[in-house]
Amino acid sequence: AQSVAQPEDQVNVAEGNPLTVKCTYSVSGNPYLFWYVQYPNRGLQFLLKYITGDNLVKGSYGFEAEFNKSQTSFHLKKPSALVSDSALYFCAVRSNSGNTPLVFGKGTRLSVIA
Amino acid sequence: DTAVSQTPKYLVTQMGNDKSIKCEQNLGHDTMYWYKQDSKKFLKIMFSYNNKELIINETVPNRFSPKSPDKAHLNLHINSLELGDSAVYFCASRPGGATKNIQYFGAGTRLSVL
Repeated sequence: AQSVAQPEDQVNVAEGNPLTVKCTYSVSGNPYLFWYVQYPNRGLQFLLKYITGDNLVKGSYGFEAEFNKSQTSFHLKKPSALVSDSALYFCAVRSNSGNTPLVFGKGTRLSVIA
Repeated sequence: DTAVSQTPKYLVTQMGNDKSIKCEQNLGHDTMYWYKQDSKKFLKIMFSYNNKELIINETVPNRFSPKSPDKAHLNLHINSLELGDSAVYFCASRPGGATKNIQYFGAGTRLSVL
C-alpha cells in the first residue's frame, strides 16, 4: 500500500527566510513523487516532480525538493520565502509499477509572515 | 481558456436529493479523475477513467456514479445525498502514455448538503 506523511499541519516562516515542508512516503517499488500547491478556493497546481535522475529537482516559483531514498523523504524547500507562497502544500506519491492512483498527504499549511 | 472546468462551482442542496457535477477538459487528455476533499483538506481519489473506461474505483458508496460520455467529459452523479457528502469535489485529468505525467485540476465544486 502507498502512503504519504506530512508531519506538520502548519509551517510558519518569516519572509526572506528559507522554508522547508516535510514529506515522507511509503510505496512498493520505485516512487514517483510530486508536490502540489493549493491556493484558497482553487484547485491543486503542480509544482514539481521526481521520476528518476538527479535527486534534487527544481520546480515552479523557485521551489525545489530533494529525493532521499534511504530516508524515504521528499522535502520541499525554497531558499527565500515570499508572502505570496502562503498556501496549502500537498505531497503525493505513486508506484512506478502498474496503473496505481496518486496518493496525497494530508497537506501542510504554509504561512509566510511579512 | 480554462483547461479543466467544473460546473457548478457551488452546490447547496437538501438531504435525499440527487445532484450532478460536470467536468470537461480541453487538453486532449486520456485519463480523468474525481477526488473528494473533506473539511480537513484531506484529498482522496474516488474514480479514474481512461478513454471512457473505468479503471479505478476506490471504496465509494454506490450512490456515487461517474459517467464519461466521451474522453473529454467525466460527470459525477450523486443519489440520495447525505450530510457526510458535504465536501469539495475536484476533477482532474492527465495525458495518456507514461504514468509519470502531471495531473491538472479543476477549481473544485463545493457541495453543501443541508
